[in-house]
Amino acid sequence: GESVGLHLPTLSVQEGDNSIINCAYSNSASDYFIWYKQESGKGPQFIIDIRSNMDKRQGQRVTVLLNKTVKHLSLQIAATQPGDSAVYFCAESTDKLIFGTGTRLQVFP
Amino acid sequence: GAVVSQHPSWVICKSGTSVKIECRSLDFQATTMFWYRQFPKQSLMLMATSNEGSKATYEQGVEKDKFLINHASLTLSTLTVTSAHPEDSSFYICSANPGTANEKLFFGSGTQLSVL
Repeated sequence: GESVGLHLPTLSVQEGDNSIINCAYSNSASDYFIWYKQESGKGPQFIIDIRSNMDKRQGQRVTVLLNKTVKHLSLQIAATQPGDSAVYFCAESTDKLIFGTGTRLQVFP
Repeated sequence: GAVVSQHPSWVICKSGTSVKIECRSLDFQATTMFWYRQFPKQSLMLMATSNEGSKATYEQGVEKDKFLINHASLTLSTLTVTSAHPEDSSFYICSANPGTANEKLFFGSGTQLSVL
């Protein structure tokens, strides 16, 4: 069936460096994508979204890139901080929200 | 952003009992809410779509008689796990949004259910 997956299960970065979290999706009909951050024992927190008619969208310290040709989505976090440590999920929205497998981001000093 | 409140945050119950989890949209009305389940170190899996004033829509493989959903008002949906068993132990999360369904969902804080 359709699925949304991530390339890296764990990403370790040094504080201050930039982080890039990747996601592959398989449903070419998906037209809306979201990145969520989930801290341990909490519900997902909305980070940023992007529609399929866009290639890039920027927020505060975060940028989402969408490559529809290869069905790839990425989340870039600038100047990664300890508070960014969490599990990050990409999700695609059609008639329901489908989550990817998640990537754990670990930030070390 | 919109606020979704979920209660309780955690619950421990004996096998065979039923547990009710509440999901409230605090500052908006939601005709549709969604219930997810998440096992440790896994992703969120959609269980069902809760529709205000009508029956919930369940995902394939989710037992509707075991996971009862009631969406009696535009701000409240409840999930009742009936005759809970240890394998039902999981993190249950609800979500909703004030706009178009499935876009920019806001999530509750989750309920950790442990069945002994």
